[in-house]
Amino acid sequence: AQKITQTQPGMFVQEKEAVTLDCTYDTSDQSYGLFWYKQPSSGEMIFLIYQGSYDEQNATEGRYSLNFQKARKSANLVISASQLGDSAMYFCAMREGESGGSNYKLTFGKGTLLTVNP
Amino acid sequence: KAGVTQTPRYLIKTRGQQVTLSCSPISGHRSVSWYQQTPGQGLQFLFEYFSETQRNKGNFPGRFSGRQFSNSRSEMNVSTLELGDSALYLCASSLDRGLYNEQFFGPGTRLTVL
Repeated sequence: AQKITQTQPGMFVQEKEAVTLDCTYDTSDQSYGLFWYKQPSSGEMIFLIYQGSYDEQNATEGRYSLNFQKARKSANLVISASQLGDSAMYFCAMREGESGGSNYKLTFGKGTLLTVNP
Repeated sequence: KAGVTQTPRYLIKTRGQQVTLSCSPISGHRSVSWYQQTPGQGLQFLFEYFSETQRNKGNFPGRFSGRQFSNSRSEMNVSTLELGDSALYLCASSLDRGLYNEQFFGPGTRLTVL
């Protein structure tokens, strides 16, 4: 089974509107971290936001917020007031806690290509 | 603070050759991880180094190896290159090993194997 599922291969949004990028995850660990990264066409992965499994509040970083629903195992990224520069690939990733080993790797989803239209 | 740097940015090699990629982490960061990104397989974890020791390894053949130096700089080596090794290789650093440490990525090295 896939650890991280991003069901939207591509999304379109009008400039200045909000957009939600979906991410569901699969883990049996109690401790884990969820991350969102942005990858523009240049290739560099840019860290956006992080949510810990024990965090009760949804994470926010400027125009980015993470809609964390633990029971549903979802961690959707919300971008408010989209800008043309937000056009990029967006990846959801998870790092799981120690369950028989030191799993300090990030497991990534397949990504969502966001296009912001003027 | 300077970000993660990777050299070279672009590389073209032929099958059978070997290649060494370099990564300098953010100053003070002690953990370095490597990832391979291809259109077909997406982002896949290669390995992680901390305190000059490999701490975790992904599901890649032994042709892929790496090391970390005392200043936390890391290199990865791919021997006997195959066409399928063509990919973007990303290096990421984090302050420490830990579940909640953010990883910061470099710009990547784009390797093309002909």
